[in-house]
Amino acid sequence: DAGVTQSPTHLIKTRGQQVTLRCSPKSGHDTVSWYQQALGQGPQFIFQYYEEEERQRGNFPDRFSGHQFPNYSSELNVNALLLGDSALYLCASSFDIEQFFGPGTRLTVL
Amino acid sequence: GEDVEQSLFLSVREGDSSVINCTYTDSSSTYLYWYKQEPGAGLQLLTYIFSNMDMKQDQRLTVLLNKKDKHLSLRIADTQTGDSAIYFCAETLYGAGSYQLTFGKGTKLSVIP
Repeated sequence: DAGVTQSPTHLIKTRGQQVTLRCSPKSGHDTVSWYQQALGQGPQFIFQYYEEEERQRGNFPDRFSGHQFPNYSSELNVNALLLGDSALYLCASSFDIEQFFGPGTRLTVL
Repeated sequence: GEDVEQSLFLSVREGDSSVINCTYTDSSSTYLYWYKQEPGAGLQLLTYIFSNMDMKQDQRLTVLLNKKDKHLSLRIADTQTGDSAIYFCAETLYGAGSYQLTFGKGTKLSVIP
C-alpha cells in the first residue's frame, strides 16, 4: 500500500497565478481532506470531499476550490495567489475516524 | 467553538519519559488525536482516544484524558532521539456533523542524547 501520495512535492508561483495540487488517497479510503500549514503553525482545515461533493468547508475564501474524482483522488485549486498562500498543503484520506496524511506540497508564492 | 492549546517546547534526556500536554474546549462527544511531524514531512497518526475513555496505551505511548478539565496528555516512555519531532494534538466532532480536525500549534520535543 503506497499510502497517501501528493504531487508535486514543491512548487514556486508568482502572485496572481493559479495552482493545482493533487492527492491520491490510501487504498480503501473514500474521503479526502485538505489542510494548509503555515510555517510554525498547526494545520488549518480547508475542506473535505466525500462522494465527489464538498462535505464541509473551513474558513477559507472562494479562491480555494477542489474536486474529487470517481477514483477518490482529489485536486485543490487556488486562484489569484497571494504571498500569504505560501505554506505546506497537506492532503489526508480516511474511511472513518482516522485521517492519514500525505507528505504535503510546499507552495512558495513570490 | 473548538480550540486546542499546547505548550510549544519540551526538552528531555534520552531514556526518560516525555509528557506532552494539550487542552481543548469543546465539551461535545469528540475524538482526540496525537500526530507526529518530522522536519519536512507530513503528519503521522500516533494514536487517538474517544472522549468517553480515560486512558489508552499502545506500546511506549500512553494517552490520558481528564474530561472534567478537558486536558489530554501523551506520555512517551523511554524516549529516544528518533522521537524528536513536533507533536500535534487535534480534535474532531466526527459523527456530530463535523469532520474537520482542529489542531493545536504543536509541541516541539527535543531529545538530548
